[in-house]
Amino acid sequence: EIVLTQSPGTLSLSPGERATLSCRASEGISSSYLAWYQEKPGQPPRLLIFGASSRATGIPDRFSGSGSGTDFTLSISRLEPEDFAVYYCQQYGGSPLYTFGQGTKLEIK
Amino acid sequence: EVQLVESGGGLVKPGGSLKLSCAASGFSLSGYTMNWVRQAPGRGLEWVSSITRGSSYIYYADSVKGRFTISRDNARNSLVLQMNSLRADDTAVYYCARDLAVSGTIGFDVWGQGTVVTVSS
Repeated sequence: EIVLTQSPGTLSLSPGERATLSCRASEGISSSYLAWYQEKPGQPPRLLIFGASSRATGIPDRFSGSGSGTDFTLSISRLEPEDFAVYYCQQYGGSPLYTFGQGTKLEIK
Repeated sequence: EVQLVESGGGLVKPGGSLKLSCAASGFSLSGYTMNWVRQAPGRGLEWVSSITRGSSYIYYADSVKGRFTISRDNARNSLVLQMNSLRADDTAVYYCARDLAVSGTIGFDVWGQGTVVTVSS
C-alpha cells in the first residue's frame, strides 16, 4: 500500500502570505496520478489540481502544484480568506486503488 | 447544472444493512467511472469503491470488501452502494464522486453533498 504523508499537519498563516503544503509518498508514483483537494466544513471536497500540476476547471491561478516521484507540493501564492481550509492529496494505483493523505489544515494566524 | 445527490443514509444497528443511492443530473453517468468516498467524524477521506463506465471493472477498499456492493444503472443515471454487515467503524459521511474524464490522469471532479451513515446500537 502506498502511504501519503502530508506535512505540516496544521499551517498557520495570514492572508496575503504564501502557503506551501507537502505530500510525500512512501514509494514513487506517477505525477499523472496525483491530485489535490480543498475541503471546507459542511462542504464536499473540491478538486484543485490533477496530474500533479494541472488546475481543475475554475481554480484560481494562485493555486499551483508541482513535484514528482515521492515528493509533491501544493502552493498558494497569496492567501485569500476563503483559502483557509483542509487540503488533501490523493494518489492512484496499487491496492487500495486510491489513497488520500491525512490532510493539512490551513488556519488563519 | 452538473450535480450528484446522495440519499439513503440513516441510523442502523451493527450487523444491519443500508442502500445508498446517488442520482446524477446535468450529465450522462454512462460516460464516467464513478466512486464512493467516505469520511468518518473528525477524520480524513477514505476511498471506498469504484465502478467503471460499463461496470466491467469494480474495485473495493479492503475494509469493505465482501460487505459492500457497488452498482450502477446508466439508464436511470444512478449509482448504488449496498452496504451489509455494517460495523461501528462504517459510521461516516458517504460521498459519491465522478471521475475526471481526462485520459491518463486522476481526480474526482464532481462530488455530492454526502449522506450520513451512523452505525450504533
